[in-house]
Formats: sequence, C-alpha cells, structure tokens
Amino acid sequence: QQQVKQSPQSLIVQKGGISIINCAYENTAFDYFPWYQQFPGKGPALLIAIRPDVSEKKEGRFTISFNKSAKQFSLHIMDSQPGDSATYFCAASRGGTASKLTFGTGTRLQVTL
Amino acid sequence: NAGVTQTPKFRVLKTGQSMTLLCAQDMNHEYMYWYRQDPGMGLRLIHYSVGEGTTAKGEVPDGYNVSRLKKQNFLLGLESAAPSQTSVYFCASSAGGDTQYFGPGTRLTVL
Repeated sequence: QQQVKQSPQSLIVQKGGISIINCAYENTAFDYFPWYQQFPGKGPALLIAIRPDVSEKKEGRFTISFNKSAKQFSLHIMDSQPGDSATYFCAASRGGTASKLTFGTGTRLQVTL
Repeated sequence: NAGVTQTPKFRVLKTGQSMTLLCAQDMNHEYMYWYRQDPGMGLRLIHYSVGEGTTAKGEVPDGYNVSRLKKQNFLLGLESAAPSQTSVYFCASSAGGDTQYFGPGTRLTVL
C-alpha cells in the first residue's frame, strides 16, 4: 500500500534547466507535504514544505506547487545546478499522528554541465 | 551541537546474530523515529517514540524492538538478524512540529 507515489525515478537535467518531480497522495487527511533532499552517504534534510491552504510556496530556486483537488504536489527546481544533484523524496503526514511521515520512493536527480 | 548521531556507521552481521543501533540527539526533542531505506522503496517507518519511556509501531516493525529510556537516546534492536534486514537505517528526531532531523545513517549487512 503506497500512499505517496513519486515520479520519475530518475531525472537528468542540464545546468540551468528546470527540474520537476511529481508526487500524488491518496490519504485526504494528509495536511503537511515536505520535500527532503539527500546527498550520497548522508541523511535526508528538509528542503521545503507546504500545507494545503496554499497552492504554491517558493524558497529561492525551489518551488512547491500543490493541487488539492487532484491530490498532487510537485517540486520545481529552477536554474538547476550540479550541486543540486541528489535524491529527492516527497513525503506527507497528518496532524495528531506524531508527525509520522509517509515517504515517496525517491527521485535521483543528476544535473549535467 | 551535534544534532542527531548514530552508532555504528557500518555493521556486518551473520544471520541469527543480534545487535543494537544507538541514536542520540542533543536538541531536546520529544519525538524520535527509526526508518529503514531500501532501493526503490524510499524510507519506511519502523518504530517511533513521542517521549521518554514511550514507543509505538510504525509501518514495518516486525523483527525489531526499540527502547527510549532516556529522552536523548532511541535504541533499535534486532534480536535475530535476517538477510531481509539488510538496509540503511536512519534515525530522526522532531520537536513535535513537522520538521524531522535525520542522522547520517547506519549501513547494515546481514549475511
């Protein structure tokens, strides 16, 4: 039972391009949607997060777009840089559940020169 | 301020052996979590704790036990290791809000 589906599994983008990673969820009780970034050999780290009361959140080159009716959210990385090469995980949680996160399966992003 | 630390970083076990993974956090967080990460499966929650002396099952608890005797420590035990438990294990902590802070991971191989 996969409650958060993530695509694509891998992505290659040229430097300066836009990277887009998509996630879809099933549980309508989810009310918090973070994206985590993980570099090889390291633990995941929070990148950006959104709640369903807004449709978009932007932090620097990173933007989350949220579509509540479609139960989908996506991460956009503008002006992608080689330093952005990492694995990205979307996740979801619902209030009152000890902040337990349900993760997507991850997207391995490679930004080429 | 070390954040979340995990011990050991690497371990190789034989089937049937036992071991304990230690997670420590110095942020005075109430909530702590153990996840396992497998290729193509993301991170899956094994057990979690909402405070000292409490533990609860996550998504994949079978074959694991945990203890939270001190607020800053969360231990994950494997009583009889199986090859299916070969994975990278991550500990995380949270202040009770939404952000979870992850440790560097423990890579476990069970032969």
